[in-house]
Amino acid sequence: QVQLQQSGAELVKPGSSVKISCKASGYTFTSYDMHWIKQQPGNGLEWIGWIYPGNGNTKYNQKFNGKATLTADKSSSTAYMQLSSLTSEDSAVYFCARPRANWFAYWGQGTLVTVSS
Amino acid sequence: EIVLTQSPTTTAASPGEKVTITCLASSSVSNMYWYQQKSGASPKLLIYSTSSLASGVPDRFSGSGSGTSYSLTINTMEAEDAATYYCQQWSSNPLTFGSGTKLEIK
Repeated sequence: QVQLQQSGAELVKPGSSVKISCKASGYTFTSYDMHWIKQQPGNGLEWIGWIYPGNGNTKYNQKFNGKATLTADKSSSTAYMQLSSLTSEDSAVYFCARPRANWFAYWGQGTLVTVSS
Repeated sequence: EIVLTQSPTTTAASPGEKVTITCLASSSVSNMYWYQQKSGASPKLLIYSTSSLASGVPDRFSGSGSGTSYSLTINTMEAEDAATYYCQQWSSNPLTFGSGTKLEIK
């Protein structure tokens, strides 16, 4: 069965960067996009972008250009998202999600990123 | 960017009651997708391609709509349906979600 296992919670300082991971199993990692979605406390869902691990192609929500960088390691079936120049506005739960056509059939459990000095 | 406006923002229903959540799109979309999210959990797909029930989802849930107006209906509310519901479109980039509807049990 498809599983997306995300890395643990992070406490990071303002101005720093953080890299979170999403390890995929149960399907061919290189055959599907991996998307990332942000959810601030008490707020809705915001799409960040996707990466196609097969060739490394990416597509970002313009709002996250320069903030998020998506990468993937085919050898370990793991997708990564690096967030840079962190501020309190980046404090959120971040989900990875694998689509099926135009919807998200599979979600990771979420990674909480807290930006605080 | 297509903005999805959900209504109501918050609502409560008694067991057995019918619940309808609406999602209005700022431009026409070809399909709508619906998710349920319980506190502390990841979103769970309920409805895909406007009206198709995802695997394992009870048939008291249904979806309908076209163009700029879509809805999610729970035919008979159950306690386990208390959650926040989100609509989602990907007819155009960027992919967007609605702001959410919190459904509580009376």
